[in-house]
Amino acid sequence: GNSVTQMEGPVTLSEEAFLTINCTYTATGYPSLFWYVQYPGEGLQLLLKATKADDKGSNKGFEATYRKETTSFHLEKGSVQVSDSAVYFCALSDPGNNRKLIWGLGTSLAVNP
Amino acid sequence: NAGVTQTPKFQVLKTGQSMTLQCAQDMNHEYMSWYRQDPGMGLRLIHYSVGAGITDQGEVPNGYNVSRSTTEDFPLRLLSAAPSQTSVYFCASSYLGEQYFGPGTRLTVT
Repeated sequence: GNSVTQMEGPVTLSEEAFLTINCTYTATGYPSLFWYVQYPGEGLQLLLKATKADDKGSNKGFEATYRKETTSFHLEKGSVQVSDSAVYFCALSDPGNNRKLIWGLGTSLAVNP
Repeated sequence: NAGVTQTPKFQVLKTGQSMTLQCAQDMNHEYMSWYRQDPGMGLRLIHYSVGAGITDQGEVPNGYNVSRSTTEDFPLRLLSAAPSQTSVYFCASSYLGEQYFGPGTRLTVT
């Protein structure tokens, strides 16, 4: 079946460190891929997305590239800030119903000053 | 636009009580959904709706009912609350595959 696997957290980094959060997926067809972010006490919000192979999504210094050959969509940021501390969720659109999302379990990131 | 709104923000119930979690969106989105979020379990889909008058079950529908009489509103009803329903509940609407979340309701059942 369709699924998303994220690296387990928590991830703890110092400010200005490089961030990678791994995400791999299993899907039939050609899903869209998403990263959502949840700041403490808030709902999730879309961070970035990619709709086809080799697309790169980017926002707020974060990037992720849709890699069909490795079925991956890893999230990266070159220099994290304390304000990036949050939980990050990888998701894919259900190929049978593209309004439905299949979610990873989330990766908690803590950035220390 | 207010986006997706949810009420209440916090609620404490006793076992066996019933209540309705309210969700509304002002973006005219047809697709809406309810999730629960528990530590270590990520987001789990409870129920969803593809438009007014149409609802369907998600992964964990037991103990919850929904209805969709208008495009804007998608309430979630707990008929007889159980401690296992202690969780944070999120409502979301969707457009072109992107989901827009409300701020959540933190529910505790004692």
